[in-house]
Amino acid sequence: EAGVVQSPRYKIIEKKQPVAFWCNPISGHNTLYWYLQNLGQGPELLIRYENEEAVDDSQLPKDRFSAERLKGVDSTLKIQPAELGDSAVYLCASSLAPLETQYFGPGTRLLVL
Amino acid sequence: SQKIEQNSEALNIQEGKTATLTCNYTNYSPAYLQWYRQDPGRGPVFLLLIRENEKEKRKERLKVTFDTTLKQSLFHITASQPADSATYLCALDPQTGANNLFFGTGTRLTVIP
Repeated sequence: EAGVVQSPRYKIIEKKQPVAFWCNPISGHNTLYWYLQNLGQGPELLIRYENEEAVDDSQLPKDRFSAERLKGVDSTLKIQPAELGDSAVYLCASSLAPLETQYFGPGTRLLVL
Repeated sequence: SQKIEQNSEALNIQEGKTATLTCNYTNYSPAYLQWYRQDPGRGPVFLLLIRENEKEKRKERLKVTFDTTLKQSLFHITASQPADSATYLCALDPQTGANNLFFGTGTRLTVIP
């Protein structure tokens, strides 16, 4: 069974540029999460989707971050414009249902110069 | 304020010994607590979940305890092996039914041959 797929794996951009990350969850997983992980820290939840609905986006900085999961399958997380402090690893996870085990992708490592 | 603290940033032990990692939390009343393993460049991988009414949980060489009075979980790896070297994260869901995980900062374990 394929795991959670994320792309790109690495991204280097200049500050003020836009950037987008893509996530394809495990087939059949209705719940999708985006996390941010800073160096030496644990992941921090940004947004959680149940199918195509964002049911918890309270930690998402909405002035520059946006996310979508149009058909309830894959999802895109966007930052516009990127700031130096956005340099981090962006992790996507999915689960069959809200209380089921979360499976994480390998993450996208973002460096903002 | 709410906190999840893993008391050791790094832990080095000799192969064959038991590694014990600690997770303390304040101002949470979680229904369950989870432990994850994270290798460099990869996303976290779920290991064990322990519920508030369970004192201890085992899986092969892993053992987790959960003391809701002390607000502490201990994670043990017995007969440790170099392949156990990784960062271990504890996580809890402060809102029953949502599974929005809050992670500790992690402990980097190195098992020395």
